Amino acid sequence: AQKVTQAQTEISVVEKEDVTLDCVYETRDTTYYLFWYKQPPSGELVFLIRRNSFDEQNEISGRYSWNFQKSTSSFNFTITASQVVDSAVYFCALSGSGAGSYQLTFGKGTKLSVIP
Amino acid sequence: ETGVTQSPTHLIKTRGQQVTLRCSSQSGHNTVSWYQQALGQGPQFIFQYYREEENGRGNFPPRFSGLQFPNYSSELNVNALELDDSALYLCASSLGPRTYEQYFGPGTRLTVT
Repeated sequence: AQKVTQAQTEISVVEKEDVTLDCVYETRDTTYYLFWYKQPPSGELVFLIRRNSFDEQNEISGRYSWNFQKSTSSFNFTITASQVVDSAVYFCALSGSGAGSYQLTFGKGTKLSVIP
Repeated sequence: ETGVTQSPTHLIKTRGQQVTLRCSSQSGHNTVSWYQQALGQGPQFIFQYYREEENGRGNFPPRFSGLQFPNYSSELNVNALELDDSALYLCASSLGPRTYEQYFGPGTRLTVT
């Protein structure tokens, strides 16, 4: 069975602070894919990134960066110099490569509040 | 915006009734997945449709059923509604059935009273 754990339920930061959202996953698949999605108050899930299990290189996209560590089964997400528009619920998700690879397994999400 | 549309936006139904939710996939996407998101929780996979057939199903009872049409749009039907069915229902489209990025619509908020 696959499982995604986002231990941080809610985080509040002051604007311009850096913040890291943690994600720990469990899977028996040797090939798998990890995702981050953003859900603003409007409700629509916005795709941020997909990484496959063979690529442990960290990725940076503007103020966003992702740290994938297979040894600790973690895929953490850092926002640098946070802005009020970053306020949302962030979900980490996992899909495998075997049976059931069609579905995303989501964590419970981390609600980020950026205070001006 | 992803190009995935869902209707209606909001819906209120009574326990025991039936409901149909609709989803139009993004252009070029042949796969549609449905998720249920209860308040304060992450989305849970209901099922996926690929080439008009159910391609996989999560842990949901048979009263949750679906369809996919030749234009790849999809419907989610829920019979015998229960109070616990109150949730945000999200539709996601993708280029294929496995491991691709799924692009989500805005969701349908269903309230069962």
